[in-house]
Amino acid sequence: NAGVMQNPRHLVRRRGQEARLRCSPMKGHSHVYWYRQLPEEGLKFMVYLQKENIIDESGMPKERFSAEFPKEGPSILRIQQVVRGDSAAYFCASSPGTGENTEAFFGQGTRLTVV
Amino acid sequence: AQSVTQLDSQVPVFEEAPVELRCNYSSSVSVYLFWYVQYPNQGLQLLLKYLSGSTLVESINGFEAEFNKSQTSFHLRKPSVHISDTAEYFCAVSQLGSNYKLTFGKGTLLTVNP
Repeated sequence: NAGVMQNPRHLVRRRGQEARLRCSPMKGHSHVYWYRQLPEEGLKFMVYLQKENIIDESGMPKERFSAEFPKEGPSILRIQQVVRGDSAAYFCASSPGTGENTEAFFGQGTRLTVV
Repeated sequence: AQSVTQLDSQVPVFEEAPVELRCNYSSSVSVYLFWYVQYPNQGLQLLLKYLSGSTLVESINGFEAEFNKSQTSFHLRKPSVHISDTAEYFCAVSQLGSNYKLTFGKGTLLTVNP
């Protein structure tokens, strides 16, 4: 059973371009979470998705950021018109549920650099 | 709102020495507490967690952490570290009822030297 797979591992974009980050959850996991780690900061929650639904997007910036988790395929975090401040490590996690004894498994992250 | 403070960004120690990684949190409601570890080029892995009950929790590889409500701390300890323990360690909290939403500290890089 492969772990949470994120790709690409490293992504370089010029200001104004779009960044698409992909996350394939562990087999059997229908809950996906995205976190962002800015330089010198801890990971910050962005969004929680369950197949085809956004459950909690309280940590998402209001503009330029969107996330989806379609019925088929990976979850996508999309950043439009990237700016230098979007440079960060983006981590995805997945779990089979949200009970208190349910563990979330994290991917290796995608490191986005905006130049 | 809740927050997590990891007081040390880096902790260098020699092999077989004891280590303590400090974590303090603030929250207006009851929380769950976690320690995650990130080995080089890997994702974060859950090391141990406190949900309720005994305030001392242990991991399978010799780490332990104690929940101290009065001091709002959840420090991680190991009596004798190995080279293989070199990694970044993250303390995190979540609120009861929204345990999927973790708030992380900035991390502590533990480097174990021979």
